[in-house]
Amino acid sequence: GAGVSQSPRYKVAKRGQDVALRCDPISGHVSLFWYQQALGQGPEFLTYFQNEAQLDKSGLPSDRFFAERPEGSVSTLKIQRTQQEDSAVYLCASSLALSPAGLPNTGELFFGEGSRLTVL
Amino acid sequence: ELKVEQNPLFLSMQEGKNYTIYCNYSTTSDRLYWYRQDPGKSLESLFVLLSNGAVKQEGRLMASLDTKARLSTLHITAAVHDLSATYFCAVRTAGGTSYGKLTFGQGTILTVHP
Repeated sequence: GAGVSQSPRYKVAKRGQDVALRCDPISGHVSLFWYQQALGQGPEFLTYFQNEAQLDKSGLPSDRFFAERPEGSVSTLKIQRTQQEDSAVYLCASSLALSPAGLPNTGELFFGEGSRLTVL
Repeated sequence: ELKVEQNPLFLSMQEGKNYTIYCNYSTTSDRLYWYRQDPGKSLESLFVLLSNGAVKQEGRLMASLDTKARLSTLHITAAVHDLSATYFCAVRTAGGTSYGKLTFGQGTILTVHP
């Protein structure tokens, strides 16, 4: 498809289980972001990739959170030993790092529909 | 640390009325974005404001940016029910090694009723 695709859309996990969330960005988008959105809040930055390089992981809340993008396209966010406070919507966004010739780079992020994680 | 604050957080409007949502941010930024989010859906980009004094309009929505005051506004004209959604502003940190990381406000939940 033309947009950012995320799966699964919904995930229910028992506390202590590991989960993996997948993001397929827009084709050709170099930049990929993961955000966490708690209920009633704005998205909060987790991590950023430029191609396969993870350039910023300052928003990951603990070492239970791990993200990868091994071939510079699809990315996976993994949460180990899930806790109830991990319940949130996890949003993936992609962006062009470089603008098409002659056009300004707006830096606009294009978001997927998110993966809603509920930890029981 | 960049902080982004929106107000109001909740806005109940009658159809046909006008109102403004405010977005204040704490440090210098070169770009500001407005997004719309419907319940259970992702964020839809509304406006990208690239410079001081920028004004953009789409239908009943108009966004402006004052980088000196660190303030953006989203003005709603003659509201209709279809505008009911949550609106977020997001700010990009200026310069340096900035790569597009956005900091979001808390969101404004807009409800338009007859």
